[in-house]
Amino acid sequence: AQSVTQPDIHITVSEGASLELRCNYSYGATPYLFWYVQSPGQGLQLLLKYFSGDTLVQGIKGFEAEFKRSQSSFNLRKPSVHWSDAAEYFCARMDSSYKLIFGSGTRLLVRP
Amino acid sequence: SQTIHQWPATLVQPVGSPLSLECTVEGTSNPNLYWYRQAAGRGLQLLFYSVGIGQISSEVPQNLSASRPQDRQFILSSKKLLLSDSGFYLCAWSVLSGRNEQFFGPGTRLTVL
Repeated sequence: AQSVTQPDIHITVSEGASLELRCNYSYGATPYLFWYVQSPGQGLQLLLKYFSGDTLVQGIKGFEAEFKRSQSSFNLRKPSVHWSDAAEYFCARMDSSYKLIFGSGTRLLVRP
Repeated sequence: SQTIHQWPATLVQPVGSPLSLECTVEGTSNPNLYWYRQAAGRGLQLLFYSVGIGQISSEVPQNLSASRPQDRQFILSSKKLLLSDSGFYLCAWSVLSGRNEQFFGPGTRLTVL
C-alpha cells in the first residue's frame, strides 16, 4: 500500500539555523507530493507541491523541497528558521484515487 | 477567491448525544469535499469524501456519517457519540478533476465527555 513516512516526530532548531524535515514515500509511479503546515488549533496550509518537472520546488514562507526519486524522498528545507515557523509539518502524497495520504507529522520547535 | 468555513469551532458533547458538524465552501463550484479526523498527536485520517451532491464515500467503518445536501455544503453527523470520537475534525476541498491540492478549513475541536 502507498504510504508516507516522516521519521522525525520532533525537531528542535535554533532561530536562524537551517532546517530539513524528512519525508519518504512508498513505491509508485511519479508521485504527487505535498507539504502542509499546521499551527496549533488551526487547519492545514499548503506550503508547496510537486507534480512533475523541476525536482526542486519553491513554496511559500521561504520553504523549498527537493524530490529525489532514487531515495523516494521529498524533504522540506528552509535556510534560516524564524520563531514563527514553529508548527507541525505534514508530508502527503496523492494516491491513484486522488486521495491524500498523510505522514504522521513532524513538530518543529524553535529555540530563541 | 475561495474560502472554506467550519462550524462550530469547538464543541463539547456528552457520550451518547448526537453530532452535526458543518462545512461550507465559497467561491467555487462542484468541488470535491473531504472530512478528516486528527486524533491528538497523530496524523490525519480520511473519513469521507464526496465528488458531488448526495455522493458520499466512506473510508473507514465507524460511528459517523456524512451528507452533502448542497453542492458546497458537507455535513458530518453521528446519532450517538462515543468517547473515541473526540478529536480535531477538518474539512477540505479540491478542484473536481485530476490531481489537485486540497485546501483545508480551520477545523472543529470535538471533545466527548
